[in-house]
Amino acid sequence: KAGVTQTPRYLIKTRGQQVTLSCSPISGHRSVSWYQQTPGQGLQFLFEYFSETQRNKGNFPGRFSGRQFSNSRSEMNVSTLELGDSALYLCASRLDSASGEQFFGPGTRLTVL
Amino acid sequence: GNSVTQMEGPVTLSEEAFLTINCTYTATGYPSLFWYVQYPGEGLQLLLKATKADDKGSNKGFEATYRKETTSFHLEKGSVQVSDSAVYFCALSDTPGAQKLVFGQGTRLTINP
Repeated sequence: KAGVTQTPRYLIKTRGQQVTLSCSPISGHRSVSWYQQTPGQGLQFLFEYFSETQRNKGNFPGRFSGRQFSNSRSEMNVSTLELGDSALYLCASRLDSASGEQFFGPGTRLTVL
Repeated sequence: GNSVTQMEGPVTLSEEAFLTINCTYTATGYPSLFWYVQYPGEGLQLLLKATKADDKGSNKGFEATYRKETTSFHLEKGSVQVSDSAVYFCALSDTPGAQKLVFGQGTRLTINP
């Protein structure tokens, strides 16, 4: 069974631009979460989606948004990029929203210049 | 709010040495506790978990015991190998079954042959 896949793996953008990252969960998994990993702040929860609905949200500005499609694939979008948005963005999936192990993807490395 | 504090790294050991990585937490209620491992260029992998006080999680020779009285979940391994070199994250989930994880800062472990 294929694992969680994230595309692209690497991305370079400039300040002010916007970016969309994609996550395909493990087949059959319906819950997807996103995390931001930076050297300074560590791993921080962004949001969680289940059945196309946002279930939980972390403390990030409104520039960070996401959505989930009917096939459980998820995208996150960051608008008006800032230098501080440079990070590894990790996606995790699990079977449902109430239990089970989270499986993480390899991440998308975003660099903002 | 909920938080996790991990032993500062980096930690460097020789092969076959005994490993301890300290982790303490602050949380209301009864969180579930986790150790994740991140190998270079990869996402996070669940190493072990414990869901209630006095539970011991174990996997691949690693162990950690949920100590409510000391709010700790220290990771131990009796004899480390070069292949254990990675970054280790302690995490908690404050709502049963919740997808949202609160992570410690991570501890980079290097094992020398």
